Amino acid sequence: EIVLTQSPGTLSLSPGERATLSCRASQSVSSSYLAWYQQKPGQAPRLLIYGASSRATGIPDRFSGSGSGTDFTLTISRLEPEDFAVYYCQQYGSSGALTFGGGTKVEIK
Amino acid sequence: EVQLVESGGGLVQPGGSLRLSCAASGFTFSSYWMSWVRQAPGKGLEWVANIKQDGSEKYYVDSVKGRFTISRDNAKNSLYLQMNSLRAEDTAVYYCARGRRELLLDWGQGTLVTVSS
Repeated sequence: EIVLTQSPGTLSLSPGERATLSCRASQSVSSSYLAWYQQKPGQAPRLLIYGASSRATGIPDRFSGSGSGTDFTLTISRLEPEDFAVYYCQQYGSSGALTFGGGTKVEIK
Repeated sequence: EVQLVESGGGLVQPGGSLRLSCAASGFTFSSYWMSWVRQAPGKGLEWVANIKQDGSEKYYVDSVKGRFTISRDNAKNSLYLQMNSLRAEDTAVYYCARGRRELLLDWGQGTLVTVSS
């Protein structure tokens, strides 16, 4: 089973700053099967990025994804007030199972 | 507009059973993989199970195998999760999600399941 480790656990930044979130897999993951989600308090998660780098419908271009193999990154170029939330990476494995990372909380500094 | 509305959550004793439902609208239900994902209070996301468009393939996280059963009724645009032999560690908000085999495109607002005596 592939384990996804996200770092840091918490990122304290100010609006307008750049956020860089890491997702590291215990084994190589197909880029086609790596996604990122955003979750705000009291809300359901929302798909941000799929296929490691493709933005989902309606997602602003300040969100970008990159990476391959075991190392993936979500970058928010300039934080807006509505971007402070928890972010999860997710992968799909050959066994049919989906796995999430533990999450990174982006909080206001 | 895609809508996914979960129901059926509540308080149940350890060892008990509960059936969750998810009513879907705003898209062609029979064209999508459907999943259940849960989130324990204050914790991260955990995928629980998913089911192929025609119900011919189903997958489960190891911790629920043999206890939970996912099913769907395409005529009723509905997804279900039958949960038996419930444990305290099953306490969570359960989300219904539509998507692909490898991806979760849209999520419902969730229903809370509490397993406690």
